[in-house]
Formats: sequence, C-alpha cells, structure tokens
Amino acid sequence: GQQLNQNPQSMFIQEGEDVSMNCTSSSIFNTWLWYKQDPGEGPVLLIALYKAGELTSNGRLTAQFGITRKDSFLNISASIPSDVGIYFCAGLNAGNNRKLIWGLGTSLAVNP
Amino acid sequence: DTAVSQTPKYLVTQMGNDKSIKCEQNLGHDTMYWYKQDSKKFLKIMFSYNNKELIINETVPNRFSPKSPDKAHLNLHINSLELGDSAVYFCASSLAGGNEQFFGPGTRLTVL
Repeated sequence: GQQLNQNPQSMFIQEGEDVSMNCTSSSIFNTWLWYKQDPGEGPVLLIALYKAGELTSNGRLTAQFGITRKDSFLNISASIPSDVGIYFCAGLNAGNNRKLIWGLGTSLAVNP
Repeated sequence: DTAVSQTPKYLVTQMGNDKSIKCEQNLGHDTMYWYKQDSKKFLKIMFSYNNKELIINETVPNRFSPKSPDKAHLNLHINSLELGDSAVYFCASSLAGGNEQFFGPGTRLTVL
C-alpha cells in the first residue's frame, strides 16, 4: 500500500535539544496528522492540521501543513526524556473512505 | 475512563487455532478500524466499519473476519492462524465525518 516518506528514520539526541522531522508525499492531502507511540502502547494523536500553511502548537510541539499540501513538519523544542518514542505522520484525502496514509515513523531517543 | 479498549492485551496461541480480539469505544464515534503493526512498526489498515457497515476492506486474507454488533464494538476473528499473523493489532475509532482517529492499547498476537 501507499506510504509516506518520513525523515529521519531515527534520531538520538541530548536532553534539551530541539528536534525536527518531516513527512513528504507524492500526492496532495487535505489533512495531516502527527501521532506519538510509546513502547507497548497505541499511537496517540498529537496535532491535527487542516489547512495549507497552517502552523499549530501543542506545548513544546509545533507542526506545519506544507504550502504545497504534499508535506508536513513536526518540531519538538527543548526535548525531555519522556519525548522518547516513535512519531508517525499520516495524511488523509477526503475522498479516500477516511483511509489514512501513514509514514514509517521516526524513532526518537533522548539521552538525559 | 478508557476511550478505546481492546481485549486481550496479549494472545499466545498455536498455528492453526482460531482466535478473536474484541474492541470497544465509549467516545460515541461512528467509525471503527482495525490495523496491523508489523515488527518494522508500519501501521497497515485492515478494515473499517461505519455504523456497522464495512467501508474499507484492504487486501487481507479471508481468514480475517471483522464483526460489528453495534457501532461501539468491532471484533476481529482470525481462523487458522499462521506464523505470519504474529503482530500487534490496533483498534481505532473516529467520528464518521472526522479525520482524527483514536487508538486502543493494542493486542500483541504471537503464533507459535
């Protein structure tokens, strides 16, 4: 099935550093979603984006809906140990029976 | 308060057996989903039901049969289990017209 390109695949950073990751698609989306998955748990929705150019924050997390509608970005500022996990992007087109297209995830490790 | 719940959390069984996984959501959502997450963490949609009606049915072996007795429940029955069925299975739900999917904690299925 279709997948989104998500980069980087993994990151290992020091506590306090900022983190950036992105997701790109060959097709246009109307919605971009960012999820975080902790070990042994289900994905949890972090941020939802509905409009091209939209910039939305959730605490230390900021996500942007790319102008071309083919990409999205997630930034985490001042990382802390509990930011560890896998971050997934997902895109949705209105006419696709609500079927999300998922990225392969960015695995984040934070060194205290 | 559990929003999307799944039982069991862990399921270990022999090849050839038949097993079921149950899912319930108390969010008042109309649409429910089953995903399979493999060892590489890719989330693959399997099925989606909207108010008890099947709307997404990906290329899944017919050994997998979803059943939705009402819009708050979506169960997954698997016949003749195979080694390759070992994975984590996630249930999710959303509003019928909504893009944001909420996930359960997952069921880790191990086929021996």
